[in-house]
Amino acid sequence: QKEVEQDPGPLSVPEGAIVSLNCTYSNSAFQYFMWYRQYSRKGPELLMYTYSSGNKEDGRFTAQVDKSSKYISLFIRDSQPSDSATYLCAMSETNFGNEKLTFGTGTRLTIIP
Amino acid sequence: EAGVAQSPRYKIIEKRQSVAFWCNPISGHATLYWYQQILGQGPKLLIQFQNNGVVDDSQLPKDRFSAERLKGVDSTLKIQPAKLEDSAVYLCASSLVGQGLENSPLHFGNGTRLTVT
Repeated sequence: QKEVEQDPGPLSVPEGAIVSLNCTYSNSAFQYFMWYRQYSRKGPELLMYTYSSGNKEDGRFTAQVDKSSKYISLFIRDSQPSDSATYLCAMSETNFGNEKLTFGTGTRLTIIP
Repeated sequence: EAGVAQSPRYKIIEKRQSVAFWCNPISGHATLYWYQQILGQGPKLLIQFQNNGVVDDSQLPKDRFSAERLKGVDSTLKIQPAKLEDSAVYLCASSLVGQGLENSPLHFGNGTRLTVT
């Protein structure tokens, strides 16, 4: 079993729809959770960061963490064509610096105008 | 601030040949990472440096892969000899030390896309 599982998609939705992206994990030591966005032929860039369980909102993006279920989600409201990218969840056990991130496989998302 | 620079952008080689990738991190970033991203998969850490010392190389195939960061700034990753399964995008990332994941996330370069035929 992989440490982090993510539905690879691809996922296509019409513009304006709400998008839900999810990851599950098996390592209960993970405490720091991130979502990275990767445009085609570019490196990943940090989109959202959360610590432990709870919600965090940033504009149209909301990240949720449920540590009891080992499940994290990213919601995108009012999706735009510019949101078309691959979304990678990432997790870490520590946050002291020199972190080793474990990534999911990524979900490829296309927003249809 | 200038981003993480990587070169070349693309490389095609035959199996059993050697290849080298170069990375220049963001100025002042002491931590440097090399990740391998196979098509359809997430990035997998190969090696992590802090300054010019290795922090983690547990997933580096040391029989064929090597990496160095001699002056604690730029870094090279080498594969010798290459295998078909080494076809992937090789991503370099850097971060500040001790600032936490939220204040100093990993900054990735755009990667080198390697095709082994």
